[in-house]
Amino acid sequence: DVQLVESGGGLVQPGGSLRLSCATSGFTFSRHWMYWVRQAPGKGLEWVSRINGAGNIRDYADPVKGRFTISRDNAENTVHVHLRSLRVEDTAVYFCVRRAETGTGGNLFDVWGQGNLVTVSS
Amino acid sequence: DVVMTQTPLSLSVTPGQPASISCKSSQSLLNSDGRTYLYWFLQKPGQSPQLLINEVSSRFSGVPDRFSGSGSGTDFTLKISRLEAEDVGVYYCMQGLHLPLTFGGGTKVAIK
Repeated sequence: DVQLVESGGGLVQPGGSLRLSCATSGFTFSRHWMYWVRQAPGKGLEWVSRINGAGNIRDYADPVKGRFTISRDNAENTVHVHLRSLRVEDTAVYFCVRRAETGTGGNLFDVWGQGNLVTVSS
Repeated sequence: DVVMTQTPLSLSVTPGQPASISCKSSQSLLNSDGRTYLYWFLQKPGQSPQLLINEVSSRFSGVPDRFSGSGSGTDFTLKISRLEAEDVGVYYCMQGLHLPLTFGGGTKVAIK
């Protein structure tokens, strides 16, 4: 069974840091691009970052560029995102998402984690 | 950035009746490979989003055939032929062609 399990969220003060992790199982992790998508309370979905299977291509949404760093450990089947210089507007549920291995372009999100809440507040 | 505009914001539908959601993108989602990277997701209350439709009109594994997607270029539609109680939630379209990847604002579907 394919599973994505996020951890590491919680309450942090503005300007603080946090590392989210996503432990995966049930598939060949290194073959998949992995993504982070967030959802502010009561709001819609926002793409945050992505990383390719080898870990050498990383992309970020403008609101987090320079503050968030995505990484992966293919030996541990885990993807991380390090959140720095956190702002109140970063408060959201952060979802770990797998891109399907389709052999085509596009970014098909076929499996989502349960989400992990990050609250930035003083 | 590609702006994805969904309408309506909300929908209240009698069980067994059809529902339709529109999604318009500010740029074409047709790629040079001939594929159009427009997806539909449903987020049921208290759950993570789940994939419904891939590349405009292909139902994902396990998705009932009462769900159908159509459209091309910049205009897309998700239709539910006969709404069931389990279909309530927020529907999102998403473009998967241009970075940053962007979602529509969501359409909340409820039972009347």
